[in-house]
Amino acid sequence: SQQGEEDPQALSIQEGENATMNCSYKTSINNLQWYRQNSGRGLVHLILIRSNEREKHSGRLRVTLDTSKKSSSLLITASRAADTASYFCATDATRGGSNYKLTFGKGTLLTVNP
Amino acid sequence: DGGITQSPKYLFRKEGQNVTLSCEQNLNHDAMYWYRQDPGQGLRLIYYSQIVNDFQKGDIAEGYSVSREKKESFPLTVTSAQKNPTAFYLCASRTTWVRSSTNYGYTFGSGTRLTVV
Repeated sequence: SQQGEEDPQALSIQEGENATMNCSYKTSINNLQWYRQNSGRGLVHLILIRSNEREKHSGRLRVTLDTSKKSSSLLITASRAADTASYFCATDATRGGSNYKLTFGKGTLLTVNP
Repeated sequence: DGGITQSPKYLFRKEGQNVTLSCEQNLNHDAMYWYRQDPGQGLRLIYYSQIVNDFQKGDIAEGYSVSREKKESFPLTVTSAQKNPTAFYLCASRTTWVRSSTNYGYTFGSGTRLTVV
């Protein structure tokens, strides 16, 4: 079952602009994570935000989490052509600490034009 | 370098044939996962294992089987019962030693693209 849904499905911007992607989810979570996937490759973990956190930064990445709205956003500042990839949110809604597994959304395809 | 290795990168399956996808990690991770990705779609969980000799079905386990005889290895067999196996298969692993790690993130392999011919 799909927990997270990213919005928009596709985003095209110019180099140097900021890119914002959103993720909505359905159930209570322990943490939310963002991953990046270059075409035909595996996913790379970008950042994790816990349910008791509201904002987190890592380099040019800024993630926010609003648990009351069950939503998160990923902001990439000063985008570069190399940022072109698909971006996925993933949620951990595991109960009891065992059988931990992530549920992924369908992703946002970001294209950064030089 | 530590990481996850998936092989082969490309695999072709004939109708009615079973095929096995390899996933090996040298990260000393306890948990391992198999996901399926279809074009333009997210990842769907097939099977996962938190510890050696134990594994659980994910959301789309029908037509697949796994084994976890060694910590480092989590092979996935796509059986003839899987009617639509053409997809990109991703293996991932994660440490379960969460007290010492603030990173609950997965490490992914580079994937195996399976095509039915």
